[in-house]
Amino acid sequence: GAGVSQSPSNKVTEKGKDVELRCDPISGHTALYWYRQSLGQGLEFLIYFQGNSAPDKSGLPSDRFSAERTGGSVSTLTIQRTQQEDSAVYLCASSLIGLAGADTQYFGPGTRLTVL
Amino acid sequence: SQELEQSPQSLIVQEGKNLTINCTSSKTLYGLYWYKQKYGEGLIFLMMLQKGGEEKSHEKITAKLDEKKQQSSLHITASQPSHAGIYLCGADPYSGGGADGLTFGKGTHLIIQP
Repeated sequence: GAGVSQSPSNKVTEKGKDVELRCDPISGHTALYWYRQSLGQGLEFLIYFQGNSAPDKSGLPSDRFSAERTGGSVSTLTIQRTQQEDSAVYLCASSLIGLAGADTQYFGPGTRLTVL
Repeated sequence: SQELEQSPQSLIVQEGKNLTINCTSSKTLYGLYWYKQKYGEGLIFLMMLQKGGEEKSHEKITAKLDEKKQQSSLHITASQPSHAGIYLCGADPYSGGGADGLTFGKGTHLIIQP
Protein backbone atom coordinates (compact mmCIF):
# COMPACT_ATOMS: atom_id res chain seq x y z
CA GLY A 1 0.00 0.00 0.00
CA ALA A 2 0.91 3.66 -0.12
CA GLY A 3 1.59 3.92 3.59
CA VAL A 4 1.46 2.00 6.85
CA SER A 5 -2.10 1.19 7.83
CA GLN A 6 -3.42 0.20 11.23
CA SER A 7 -6.71 -1.13 12.46
CA PRO A 8 -8.84 -0.42 14.29
CA SER A 9 -8.25 3.32 14.58
CA ASN A 10 -10.01 3.34 17.95
CA LYS A 11 -10.70 0.55 20.39
CA VAL A 12 -12.60 0.78 23.65
CA THR A 13 -12.56 -2.30 25.81
CA GLU A 14 -13.34 -3.40 29.31
CA LYS A 15 -10.66 -4.24 31.80
CA GLY A 16 -9.72 -7.90 31.60
CA LYS A 17 -10.63 -8.37 27.94
CA ASP A 18 -8.13 -9.31 25.24
CA VAL A 19 -7.50 -7.00 22.29
CA GLU A 20 -5.76 -7.46 18.98
CA LEU A 21 -4.24 -4.60 17.02
CA ARG A 22 -3.25 -4.93 13.40
CA CYS A 23 -0.52 -3.32 11.33
CA ASP A 24 -0.07 -3.52 7.57
CA PRO A 25 3.38 -2.18 6.62
CA ILE A 26 4.44 -0.49 3.41
CA SER A 27 4.76 -3.06 0.66
CA GLY A 28 8.35 -4.29 0.36
CA HIS A 29 9.45 -3.11 3.79
CA THR A 30 11.20 -5.88 5.69
CA ALA A 31 11.38 -4.23 9.10
CA LEU A 32 8.36 -3.56 11.30
CA TYR A 33 8.20 -1.81 14.68
CA TRP A 34 5.59 -1.35 17.39
CA TYR A 35 5.59 1.64 19.73
CA ARG A 36 3.31 2.87 22.47
CA GLN A 37 2.56 6.53 23.11
CA SER A 38 0.97 7.53 26.38
CA LEU A 39 0.63 10.76 28.30
CA GLY A 40 3.66 11.41 30.42
CA GLN A 41 5.65 8.54 28.92
CA GLY A 42 6.19 9.79 25.41
CA LEU A 43 6.93 7.31 22.66
CA GLU A 44 8.10 3.94 23.91
CA PHE A 45 9.56 1.23 21.70
CA LEU A 46 7.94 -2.19 22.17
CA ILE A 47 9.15 -4.71 19.61
CA TYR A 48 10.84 -5.03 16.24
CA PHE A 49 10.52 -7.62 13.45
CA GLN A 50 13.06 -8.17 10.69
CA GLY A 51 11.30 -10.28 8.07
CA ASN A 52 10.06 -13.46 9.68
CA SER A 53 12.82 -13.73 12.26
CA ALA A 54 11.97 -14.14 15.93
CA PRO A 55 11.70 -10.74 17.58
CA ASP A 56 13.43 -9.48 20.70
CA LYS A 57 10.59 -9.32 23.21
CA SER A 58 12.51 -7.57 25.95
CA GLY A 59 10.85 -4.22 25.23
CA LEU A 60 7.35 -5.53 25.82
CA PRO A 61 5.97 -4.07 29.09
CA SER A 62 4.62 -7.35 30.45
CA ASP A 63 3.95 -10.97 29.52
CA ARG A 64 0.37 -9.97 28.69
CA PHE A 65 1.75 -8.43 25.51
CA SER A 66 2.64 -10.54 22.49
CA ALA A 67 3.22 -9.84 18.84
CA GLU A 68 3.55 -11.86 15.70
CA ARG A 69 4.25 -11.22 12.09
CA THR A 70 2.96 -13.63 9.50
CA GLY A 71 4.48 -14.04 6.07
CA GLY A 72 6.90 -11.19 6.68
CA SER A 73 4.13 -8.66 6.21
CA VAL A 74 1.12 -8.03 8.46
CA SER A 75 1.70 -7.91 12.19
CA THR A 76 -0.65 -8.20 15.14
CA LEU A 77 -0.06 -6.95 18.65
CA THR A 78 -2.14 -8.77 21.23
CA ILE A 79 -2.80 -7.58 24.76
CA GLN A 80 -4.33 -10.12 27.07
CA ARG A 81 -6.33 -9.28 30.19
CA THR A 82 -6.12 -5.57 29.49
CA GLN A 83 -5.51 -3.14 32.33
CA GLN A 84 -6.29 0.55 32.53
CA GLU A 85 -2.59 1.39 32.30
CA ASP A 86 -2.58 -0.19 28.83
CA SER A 87 -4.62 2.76 27.55
CA ALA A 88 -2.45 4.52 24.98
CA VAL A 89 -1.96 5.06 21.28
CA TYR A 90 -0.21 2.09 19.70
CA LEU A 91 1.85 3.06 16.68
CA CYS A 92 3.32 0.81 14.06
CA ALA A 93 6.19 1.73 11.74
CA SER A 94 7.98 0.01 8.90
CA SER A 95 11.29 0.55 7.17
CA LEU A 96 12.88 -0.81 4.05
CA ILE A 97 15.82 -2.76 5.39
CA GLY A 98 15.97 -2.06 9.13
CA LEU A 99 19.53 -0.73 9.14
CA ALA A 100 20.34 1.43 12.12
CA GLY A 101 21.17 5.02 11.31
CA ALA A 102 20.51 4.67 7.61
CA ASP A 103 16.91 3.65 7.27
CA THR A 104 13.79 5.72 7.77
CA GLN A 105 10.85 4.43 9.77
CA TYR A 106 7.45 5.40 8.41
CA PHE A 107 4.61 5.45 10.89
CA GLY A 108 0.98 4.47 10.66
CA PRO A 109 -1.86 6.58 12.08
CA GLY A 110 -2.02 4.51 15.27
CA THR A 111 -4.68 2.71 17.24
CA ARG A 112 -6.08 4.56 20.23
CA LEU A 113 -6.81 1.99 22.94
CA THR A 114 -9.02 2.92 25.88
CA VAL A 115 -9.44 0.41 28.69
CA LEU A 116 -12.42 1.16 30.93
CA SER B 1 20.62 3.85 27.44
CA GLN B 2 20.40 6.84 25.18
CA GLU B 3 18.26 9.77 26.24
CA LEU B 4 17.07 12.65 24.12
CA GLU B 5 16.15 15.96 25.64
CA GLN B 6 14.10 18.42 23.62
CA SER B 7 13.73 22.11 24.28
CA PRO B 8 11.58 23.96 24.62
CA GLN B 9 8.74 21.67 25.73
CA SER B 10 6.23 24.06 24.21
CA LEU B 11 6.46 27.12 22.04
CA ILE B 12 3.97 29.78 21.02
CA VAL B 13 5.05 31.80 18.01
CA GLN B 14 3.35 34.51 16.05
CA GLU B 15 2.70 33.62 12.43
CA GLY B 16 5.54 34.74 10.21
CA LYS B 17 8.20 34.51 12.92
CA ASN B 18 11.18 32.16 12.93
CA LEU B 19 11.73 29.52 15.57
CA THR B 20 14.22 26.87 16.63
CA ILE B 21 13.74 23.56 18.44
CA ASN B 22 16.67 21.70 19.95
CA CYS B 23 17.37 18.05 20.59
CA THR B 24 20.32 17.01 22.77
CA SER B 25 21.55 13.48 23.19
CA SER B 26 23.38 11.88 26.09
CA LYS B 27 25.36 9.78 23.58
CA THR B 28 26.68 10.05 20.05
CA LEU B 29 23.93 10.13 17.47
CA TYR B 30 24.28 7.62 14.65
CA GLY B 31 21.06 8.60 12.99
CA LEU B 32 18.87 11.50 14.05
CA TYR B 33 15.31 11.75 12.82
CA TRP B 34 12.80 14.58 13.00
CA TYR B 35 9.10 13.82 12.92
CA LYS B 36 5.98 15.94 13.19
CA GLN B 37 2.78 14.77 14.80
CA LYS B 38 -0.66 16.34 14.72
CA TYR B 39 -2.92 15.55 17.66
CA GLY B 40 -4.49 12.10 17.29
CA GLU B 41 -2.44 11.24 14.22
CA GLY B 42 0.66 9.28 13.41
CA LEU B 43 4.15 10.65 12.91
CA ILE B 44 5.11 12.34 9.68
CA PHE B 45 8.76 11.93 8.71
CA LEU B 46 10.53 15.23 8.12
CA MET B 47 14.27 14.58 7.85
CA MET B 48 17.09 12.25 8.76
CA LEU B 49 20.62 13.38 9.59
CA GLN B 50 23.62 11.09 9.79
CA LYS B 51 26.86 12.98 9.45
CA GLY B 52 28.38 15.51 11.79
CA GLY B 53 27.82 19.01 10.45
CA GLU B 54 25.07 17.80 8.11
CA GLU B 55 22.27 20.19 7.26
CA LYS B 56 19.09 19.46 5.33
CA SER B 57 16.23 21.68 4.25
CA HIS B 58 12.74 21.05 3.05
CA GLU B 59 10.54 24.01 2.21
CA LYS B 60 10.86 26.31 5.23
CA ILE B 61 12.27 23.74 7.62
CA THR B 62 16.02 23.26 8.15
CA ALA B 63 17.59 20.65 10.39
CA LYS B 64 21.22 20.48 11.46
CA LEU B 65 23.37 17.95 13.26
CA ASP B 66 26.38 19.38 15.06
CA GLU B 67 29.94 18.24 14.41
CA LYS B 68 30.10 16.20 17.60
CA LYS B 69 26.83 14.48 16.69
CA GLN B 70 25.21 15.05 20.03
CA GLN B 71 22.87 17.87 19.26
CA SER B 72 20.42 18.69 16.50
CA SER B 73 18.33 21.75 15.82
CA LEU B 74 15.20 22.24 13.75
CA HIS B 75 14.63 25.73 12.41
CA ILE B 76 11.41 26.98 10.85
CA THR B 77 11.50 30.17 8.85
CA ALA B 78 8.45 32.43 8.47
CA SER B 79 6.17 30.08 10.41
CA GLN B 80 2.67 29.28 9.16
CA PRO B 81 -0.40 27.76 10.84
CA SER B 82 0.36 24.51 9.00
CA HIS B 83 3.57 24.19 11.03
CA ALA B 84 1.64 23.75 14.27
CA GLY B 85 1.96 20.37 15.92
CA ILE B 86 4.31 18.29 18.03
CA TYR B 87 7.88 17.94 16.82
CA LEU B 88 9.73 14.83 17.90
CA CYS B 89 13.36 13.93 17.51
CA GLY B 90 14.28 10.27 17.43
CA ALA B 91 17.61 8.49 17.39
CA ASP B 92 18.99 5.09 16.60
CA PRO B 93 20.71 3.75 19.71
CA TYR B 94 23.37 1.76 17.86
CA SER B 95 25.84 2.16 15.07
CA GLY B 96 26.48 -0.31 12.33
CA GLY B 97 24.25 -3.12 11.21
CA GLY B 98 21.06 -4.29 12.78
CA ALA B 99 18.20 -2.15 13.84
CA ASP B 100 16.22 -1.44 16.92
CA GLY B 101 13.47 0.89 17.90
CA LEU B 102 14.12 4.58 17.95
CA THR B 103 14.55 6.47 21.18
CA PHE B 104 12.42 9.59 21.15
CA GLY B 105 12.47 12.88 22.96
CA LYS B 106 9.36 14.04 24.80
CA GLY B 107 8.46 16.37 21.95
CA THR B 108 8.04 20.11 21.46
CA HIS B 109 4.49 21.36 21.18
CA LEU B 110 4.40 24.23 18.67
CA ILE B 111 1.48 26.64 18.49
CA ILE B 112 1.29 29.29 15.78
CA GLN B 113 -0.71 32.38 16.62
CA PRO B 114 -2.34 34.16 13.68
